[in-house]
Amino acid sequence: GENVEQHPSTLSVQEGDSAVIKCTYSDSASNYFPWYKQELGKGPQLIIDIRSNVGEKKDQRIAVTLNKTAKHFSLHITETQPEDSAVYFCAAGGGNAGGTSYGKLTFGQGTILTVHP
Amino acid sequence: DTAVSQTPKYLVTQMGNDKSIKCEQNLGHDTMYWYKQDSKKFLKIMFSYNNKELIINETVPNRFSPKSPDKAHLNLHINSLELGDSAVYFCASSFSPDTQYFGPGTRLTVL
Repeated sequence: GENVEQHPSTLSVQEGDSAVIKCTYSDSASNYFPWYKQELGKGPQLIIDIRSNVGEKKDQRIAVTLNKTAKHFSLHITETQPEDSAVYFCAAGGGNAGGTSYGKLTFGQGTILTVHP
Repeated sequence: DTAVSQTPKYLVTQMGNDKSIKCEQNLGHDTMYWYKQDSKKFLKIMFSYNNKELIINETVPNRFSPKSPDKAHLNLHINSLELGDSAVYFCASSFSPDTQYFGPGTRLTVL
């Protein structure tokens, strides 16, 4: 099955700096890579996602890059703000239609991001 | 306007009891999921249902039984609760296999 490794486990930055979180995956059949932000006491919230036919995607201060050959993808947050402090999860999934892994997401271990004012 | 809702938000119970968690989505999605988040924040899928049909069934004790009465609802029943079942349980929904939207979670504490 799929295995997703996420690094670092904790990340501390100053307000205004950039933050980068990296993930690797093992299953070459995975074709969908979302990133979720989880604030204390809440459910994970999708912040950006990328599919295997795209190498990079950007949404304001957030960008995600994907290298299918190396099986890794990264989240980049620029101009960080204190409200960006949360736990961030990467995930990999997709699979083949009709297969038992169809729609299944495998999550990384999470990164606790702290942005200091 | 709640997209994915779960009840209850908190559940405290004794070992050996049976309990249920309910989930409802009003997004018109065809697939619903249950995830377990342990004390280290690790998120792991347990089940998924597509149009009321079980699609994903991970290695979960058979004390856990999901039930989907219709496409908008997926409930989780847990028999003979154990200490190790203490966790936060999240429901999610999607147009499979697309973006999954998560509920607010149910924190289960087994004493």
